[in-house]
Amino acid sequence: GQQLNQSPQSMFIQEGEDVSMNCTSSSIFNTWLWYKQDPGEGPVLLIALYKAGELTSNGRLTAQFGITRKDSFLNISASIPSDVGIYFCAVTSGTYKYIFGTGTRLKVLA
Amino acid sequence: EAQVTQNPRYLITVTGKKLTVTCSQNMNHEYMSWYRQDPGLGLRQIYYSMNVEVTDKGDVPEGYKVSRKEKRNFPLILESPSPNQTSLYFCASSLIAGAYNEQFFGPGTRLTVL
Repeated sequence: GQQLNQSPQSMFIQEGEDVSMNCTSSSIFNTWLWYKQDPGEGPVLLIALYKAGELTSNGRLTAQFGITRKDSFLNISASIPSDVGIYFCAVTSGTYKYIFGTGTRLKVLA
Repeated sequence: EAQVTQNPRYLITVTGKKLTVTCSQNMNHEYMSWYRQDPGLGLRQIYYSMNVEVTDKGDVPEGYKVSRKEKRNFPLILESPSPNQTSLYFCASSLIAGAYNEQFFGPGTRLTVL
């Protein structure tokens, strides 16, 4: 099936640093979603992007829908220990199917 | 409290022994879905249901069955589990299908098949 490739796979950062991660696809999608999975829990939606070029913020998080519609980026500013977890991008394929990325595991060192 | 619940949370079983993982939501959501999460592969959709009695295959449906007889419940059935079905399973629901409707995930079921 289709795949979304996320990079980096994992990252260790110091508290207070900014974080950037991205998600790429070989296909065009009209919606990009970003989820966070806290350790031992299910994913939770962070940001939804619906228009190419769109830049959306949610607190310290900022996500962008790539202009080619084949990629998306997520930035976290001034990281804190509770930012630890796995970040997933996702797209919808048609109305009913979801495709998730491979995930970026973030660890924050206090 | 609005939530998606899954049972059991942890299960160790043996090859070939039929099992069911239950999923229930109390938000009157029409759309429900099952995913499996494996290291390096992210989440992959197994089956989804658009409404009662309407289900369809996701990307990795082989070895799984589902049913949607009531709106609130969407059980995942493994008729003859195999070791390659060892994984972390998530159920999710949303008001209706589509990216404009947020999916809410359950807490996960960790399955080990020996």
